[in-house]
Amino acid sequence: GQQLNQSPQSMFIQEGEDVSMNCTSSSIFNTWLWYKQDPGEGPVLLIALYKAGELTSNGRLTAQFGITRKDSFLNISASIPSDVGIYFCAGQHLETSGSRLTFGEGTQLTVNP
Amino acid sequence: DTGVSQDPRHKITKRGQNVTFRCDPISEHNRLYWYRQTLGQGPEFLTYFQNEAQLEKSRLLSDRFSAERPKGSFSTLEIQRTEQGDSAMYLCASGLYYEQYFGPGTRLTVT
Repeated sequence: GQQLNQSPQSMFIQEGEDVSMNCTSSSIFNTWLWYKQDPGEGPVLLIALYKAGELTSNGRLTAQFGITRKDSFLNISASIPSDVGIYFCAGQHLETSGSRLTFGEGTQLTVNP
Repeated sequence: DTGVSQDPRHKITKRGQNVTFRCDPISEHNRLYWYRQTLGQGPEFLTYFQNEAQLEKSRLLSDRFSAERPKGSFSTLEIQRTEQGDSAMYLCASGLYYEQYFGPGTRLTVT
């Protein structure tokens, strides 16, 4: 089945630093979504990407849909303590796997004040 | 917009018991999804409804699992004869098109 490799697994940064994380797949997707999850809560949708090459921002967050449709990255600029959490990428390909989302294993972000 | 709600938030049960979880989606959303998440992993898809029709089911959804969405609004997920391996967070999500919005989840612990 489809698998997503998300890296890095964890990051420890200082407040104010920029962060970059990415997701790669062995197969193509036609939708990429990025989520943030806090302990004991459900994932919260951050950014949705629908077209290869698309670059989308949401405040300090920027995400891109890779040209090959097999990868995506998420950047966080000027990190703050509340950015702490687990970030997940998720891909969807309606024709091959229907409406289900396939998730990566997450990037655990720690921000030191 | 009240968001997706799930009930209960936590459930502790003994092995062999049956449990049922409820999900109330965002009111205008016709698509509803169930996922399962274990510690250190991303959510894994279980099943998908469009209105009241169950359109997709994962191989993870064994015959002990059943999901319903009788009137195309709320949904229930039942696990019969629970096993310790069923311990996980059960997440519900809803959406209109490609985006999926998650609820807070139900944490199941099977002792």
